Amino acid sequence: GQQVMQIPQYQHVQEGEDFTTYCNSSTTLSNIQWYKQRPGGHPVFLIQLVKSGEVKKQKRLTFQFGEAKKNSSLHITATQTTDVGTYFCAGSTSGTYKYIFGTGTRLKVLA
Amino acid sequence: NAGVTQTPKFQVLKTGQSMTLQCAQDMNHEYMSWYRQDPGMGLRLIHYSVGAGITDQGEVPNGYNVSRSTTEDFPLRLLSAAPSQTSVYFCASKRQGDNSPLHFGNGTRLTVT
Repeated sequence: GQQVMQIPQYQHVQEGEDFTTYCNSSTTLSNIQWYKQRPGGHPVFLIQLVKSGEVKKQKRLTFQFGEAKKNSSLHITATQTTDVGTYFCAGSTSGTYKYIFGTGTRLKVLA
Repeated sequence: NAGVTQTPKFQVLKTGQSMTLQCAQDMNHEYMSWYRQDPGMGLRLIHYSVGAGITDQGEVPNGYNVSRSTTEDFPLRLLSAAPSQTSVYFCASKRQGDNSPLHFGNGTRLTVT
């Protein structure tokens, strides 16, 4: 079945440093979504990527979808303490309604 | 709009007991789903539904039953709880179609002793 892996599992950074999490799917995806979960909270939608090679930016966050539509990345420039949380990717394949989540990357930002 | 509402927030069960986790949404979303979240394993899909009367299995369906009699409600039933079902459970809904996000409830923390 479809599997989605994320690396790294944990990342500790100093405030101001950059951060990247990578998402890899075992199957070609029709789209990929990214979510952020604050400690003790629920996942909150950040963005969706649909096209091969697509790049989207949200302020300090840059999202990429791979050319083969099997991998994606989230890059945060100059992290802030408000970026703390776990970041998940979630992918679905064409013709299905299963949104399979990656294992998540837990980010800690040290002030 | 309340969004996605899950009840209860916390529950402790003994092995073998049964219970139903409730999920309701007021956004008229066709798609609803249940995930469980365990440390280091992310969110795993248990069951999902694309509309009233239609349900399907996700990645980890064993030990759980669902039904979808209305658009608004999607309860998750544990028929005979086991310690391995100790987890945080999230219900999520979305509009049908690929280009819409999942909206999550606040979760139910379940402990089975």
